[in-house]
Amino acid sequence: DAKTTQPPSMDCAEGRAANLPCNHSTISGNEYVYWYRQIHSQGPQYIIHGLKNNETNEMASLIITEDRKSSTLILPHATLRDTAVYYCIVRVATAGGTSYGKLTFGQGTILTVHP
Amino acid sequence: DGGITQSPKYLFRKEGQNVTLSCEQNLNHDAMYWYRQDPGQGLRLIYYSQIVNDFQKGDIAEGYSVSREKKESFPLTVTSAQKNPTAFYLCASSPAAPSQPQHFGDGTRLSIL
Repeated sequence: DAKTTQPPSMDCAEGRAANLPCNHSTISGNEYVYWYRQIHSQGPQYIIHGLKNNETNEMASLIITEDRKSSTLILPHATLRDTAVYYCIVRVATAGGTSYGKLTFGQGTILTVHP
Repeated sequence: DGGITQSPKYLFRKEGQNVTLSCEQNLNHDAMYWYRQDPGQGLRLIYYSQIVNDFQKGDIAEGYSVSREKKESFPLTVTSAQKNPTAFYLCASSPAAPSQPQHFGDGTRLSIL
C-alpha cells in the first residue's frame, strides 16, 4: 500500500472549516483513500473514502486531486468534539494478496479545535 | 443499533496466563480483523478473517490465536507466548467487498499484573 504524509498537527477555530491535507504521491490506480479519526482511548471512527471523485457525506467532504497524488479532508463546521487524531490511509481495494484487508495507520494529524 | 462490541473494556493478565478478548458484531459483515495499538503508535494487524471457519495471519500474529466459528464472533486469545501483551486491542469488521471501509469497536486495554 502507498505511504501517506500528513502534517503532525493543526489548529482550527470552532465553527470554521478544518482542511486536513494528505500526500500520497505513490498511490496506484487500484488504491482507495480512506479517512479515519481517533479520539483518545476509543476505536478509530470511519469518516469517508474515495477513489477518484470527490465525495461528501454527513460528516465531511473528501477532495482528491486529479492526479490522485494528494487529498484534503474538509470538516465544514468544526466543533470541539472534532478534536482528534485524523488518519489518511491508502489501501488496495482488490481481493487477495498479502496486504488484503490491512489498514496501515501512520502517525496522523492531531487536530485541535479551539473556542 | 448495529455495531461492534468488544469486551471487557479493561483486562489484566498475570504472567504465563492466556486471556481471551471478545468481539461481536451485528452488522452482518463477512470480514473481521484484530489490530494492536501501542502508545503513540499506529495500528498493527494481528489476524483477519474473510469468512466463517477461515482466518489469516497479519503482520504480528506470533503469540496470538483466533477462531471464527460464527459470522458474528471473532475472539482473540493472547497466549503466554506473547512476550509483550500490554496494549490496546481493536476489533474491526467490514463487508466482503474489498473497497468497503472497516468499522471498529471501542477496544480492550490489556495490562500485565
